[in-house]
Amino acid sequence: AQTVTQSQPEMSVQEAETVTLSCTYDTSESDYYLFWYKQPPSRQMILVIRQEAYKQQNATENRFSVNFQKAAKSFSLKISDSQLGDAAMYFCAYRSALIYNQGGKLIFGQGTELSVKP
Amino acid sequence: DGGITQSPKYLFRKEGQNVTLSCEQNLNHDAMYWYRQDPGQGLRLIYYSQIVNDFQKGDIAEGYSVSREKKESFPLTVTSAQKNPTAFYLCASRPNEGRHDSGANVLTFGAGSRLTVL
Repeated sequence: AQTVTQSQPEMSVQEAETVTLSCTYDTSESDYYLFWYKQPPSRQMILVIRQEAYKQQNATENRFSVNFQKAAKSFSLKISDSQLGDAAMYFCAYRSALIYNQGGKLIFGQGTELSVKP
Repeated sequence: DGGITQSPKYLFRKEGQNVTLSCEQNLNHDAMYWYRQDPGQGLRLIYYSQIVNDFQKGDIAEGYSVSREKKESFPLTVTSAQKNPTAFYLCASRPNEGRHDSGANVLTFGAGSRLTVL
């Protein structure tokens, strides 16, 4: 069974600074997808960024980028130029590419609560 | 606008009572999911359904039941057998892509329902 681990329950960053959230996962599959979701105080889940395991290039979405290390099974999220609106719970998630085996379900880590200081 | 509607937003239950959480989507998505969120544990999968009239147990299905009689609806019943039902419940959906997942279709989440047992 696949597992996702986020070892940082809480992180803090100064506004305009850069912060990196860590995520490791365990799987025996070679084809899968990794995601970072943001959950602000409204509790609405928002997709931040997605990475395909077969792609070596790290995904980037504006101020958000990932460091995907497939061999190490590591998938960290870097937030540059942090803004007050970035304060939220961040979840790392894994999804198998084999829909019929896994149903397209997401497996989530425990979450990292990010606070942004003005 | 297309989306997922969860109701009620807040629900209070007395011990020993069954309650049903509603999840309706107008996205024409095939697959639907129920997750439970507890502090420090991330999101855990309760049940999922890939097509109408079919559903599968997730990691924590005990004490819960679901039905999928219509494509747009996936209600979750929290039964009296669920020993610790106080939690935040999230419903999600996504289109099916066939046997192999291209990764292009991400989960869309509802706004959630907060269940409290008195």
